[in-house]
Amino acid sequence: AQSVTQPDIHITVSEGASLELRCNYSYGATPYLFWYVQSPGQGLQLLLKYFSGDTLVQGIKGFEAEFKRSQSSFNLRKPSVHWSDAAEYFCAVGAWGGYNKLIFGAGTRLAVHP
Amino acid sequence: ETGVTQTPRHLVMGMTNKKSLKCEQHLGHNAMYWYKQSAKKPLELMFVYSLEERVENNSVPSRFSPECPNSSHLFLHLHTLQPEDSALYLCASSQKGVGTQYFGPGTRLLVL
Repeated sequence: AQSVTQPDIHITVSEGASLELRCNYSYGATPYLFWYVQSPGQGLQLLLKYFSGDTLVQGIKGFEAEFKRSQSSFNLRKPSVHWSDAAEYFCAVGAWGGYNKLIFGAGTRLAVHP
Repeated sequence: ETGVTQTPRHLVMGMTNKKSLKCEQHLGHNAMYWYKQSAKKPLELMFVYSLEERVENNSVPSRFSPECPNSSHLFLHLHTLQPEDSALYLCASSQKGVGTQYFGPGTRLLVL
């Protein structure tokens, strides 16, 4: 069965520092992977996605993520965090075919200190 | 309007009330989803509609009743809810098969 683990529930970084949010998935074949961001009281906004091809994907707001099949990971990174990046981040994994069901991780809440 | 819209954005209801949540997508998608997001719990998929046919119902209590009259609209009818049903209800849409899900802003529901 598919599953997604985000090991860090809360992360705090200083503004301008680099960021890495971890995501590990369990899936029997090549998955497709997403990172979403959610500001308080809002819906989920797509940051980036991986379907195939280049394992380093670029997203919006300066985020990138790298798919590592050997580690079953899809970690999200940003070289320099801005105060507006404070939000909750969700990793999701989907299976090819069917009706596009996604499995979400529990989320990582990011706080940014000035 | 663009993307996925949801109304109302906030809803307070008593346990004996009947209300409906509405979702509309303007993206030309053919699959729509209802999720429940409670505090300190992962996002829970409730229902999936693909080409207006319900294809998944994740053991959701019958006090939640979805309706998908066409590929652009999705409703969630609520009746005799419980306080533990208070949550953010999110709607999403995508293309059937491999496709990115796009989310609406959600309806914050409080059941008193």
